[in-house]
Amino acid sequence: DVKVTQSSRYLVKRTGEKVFLECVQDMDHENMFWYRQDPGLGLRLIYFSYDVKMKEKGDIPEGYSVSREKKERFSLILESASTNQTSMYLCASRLVGNTIYFGEGSWLTVV
Amino acid sequence: GNSVTQMEGPVTLSEEAFLTINCTYTATGYPSLFWYVQYPGEGLQLLLKATKADDKGSNKGFEATYRKETTSFHLEKGSVQVSDSAVYFCAQASGGGADGLTFGKGTHLIIQP
Repeated sequence: DVKVTQSSRYLVKRTGEKVFLECVQDMDHENMFWYRQDPGLGLRLIYFSYDVKMKEKGDIPEGYSVSREKKERFSLILESASTNQTSMYLCASRLVGNTIYFGEGSWLTVV
Repeated sequence: GNSVTQMEGPVTLSEEAFLTINCTYTATGYPSLFWYVQYPGEGLQLLLKATKADDKGSNKGFEATYRKETTSFHLEKGSVQVSDSAVYFCAQASGGGADGLTFGKGTHLIIQP
């Protein structure tokens, strides 16, 4: 079975803090994604990565950055967390052209 | 850009009722179409998919048929169970560089005993 693991399920951070959300997949997938999920808005793509060290902006990249130094790991970074970034964050991965698999999500609250 | 529209929720049904959740898409061409399900406190799981016109995806008693003429991919189940209570997301392949997914806003389904 494909496994996409998000290291933190629940986080509470203060406004202005730097936040790292980590995601690891164990199936040697080239593509990885970060989405955020908000009530009434569904899922929106923040960033995606074709392969190691390659990244592209999604629909809502403002306030976020990403890092992909190794194929299995894709990190989402909030340089200076704000309350409007309180959300559920979902990581996903796939082999090119195949099904996208999701992690269980990370609930981030910024106070 | 592409978009996916699905019926607003919550949808509340009694156990053993027939379920339909409507979904329409706006992409040109023949994008792959998906239904994902999210159980409480969990991430999204692929429920079923279809990759070309007239394909029928099916899984766990759920079905959806890719209708190019109506740009629709409605989810159906003949007899729902309490355990089907979840949020259901319709999605299409976005195309473009990453070929990610464009999601609908989700439909919260509540099944009462």
